[in-house]
Amino acid sequence: GAGVSQSPRYKVAKRGQDVALRCDPISGHVSLFWYQQALGQGPEFLTYFQNEAQLDKSGLPSDRFFAERPEGSVSTLKIQRTQQEDSAVYLCASSSDRVRGTDTQYFGPGTRLTVL
Amino acid sequence: AQSVAQPEDQVNVAEGNPLTVKCTYSVSGNPYLFWYVQYPNRGLQFLLKYITGDNLVKGSYGFEAEFNKSQTSFHLKKPSALVSDSALYFCAVRDFSGNTPLVFGKGTRLSVIA
Repeated sequence: GAGVSQSPRYKVAKRGQDVALRCDPISGHVSLFWYQQALGQGPEFLTYFQNEAQLDKSGLPSDRFFAERPEGSVSTLKIQRTQQEDSAVYLCASSSDRVRGTDTQYFGPGTRLTVL
Repeated sequence: AQSVAQPEDQVNVAEGNPLTVKCTYSVSGNPYLFWYVQYPNRGLQFLLKYITGDNLVKGSYGFEAEFNKSQTSFHLKKPSALVSDSALYFCAVRDFSGNTPLVFGKGTRLSVIA
């Protein structure tokens, strides 16, 4: 378990369905981040956890998006009533940074969500 | 607000030639700067970062980047390109002074031609 893992790798949902995306960070990493990467774009920040505390959710695009990290390790990003504009790759990253500063963020392979 | 610009969508270079991928940034304070590479269907892999100190930063796979404060640039370079360097490259920045997220550029696709 050297790196960040995400599951599922691919998810197809019908419009209106709820989806849940899972992230397993590097063991011992305090900080966890979620990003959304639209086709042809760079990743855009969604939300940030330090241990189990969600310290920044300013990037979540709507109240249909919800993230949790109840035990300070695994995190789940949930999207309710999916819309076609939610189609993107969702990236998770973790770092050992306790102050959200200089430490490198290590990324998982992403979950490609397609909403039909 | 902080931002990153990668002015080239695509860079083509012959194998063995030097390569440069450009990045300029805007932050209100001092910047933390990062370069990541993304291969197809893979997540982002860290290449190098500038936090403080020497303006020339050396990273993985022979890549380096030069921090230029006056030009607000952080161009990625490699003396001799390999075909296997072909990928999507992202520059990212965050403000030293603020509790702000990492902001990424749109990416530059590098193609190294044999």
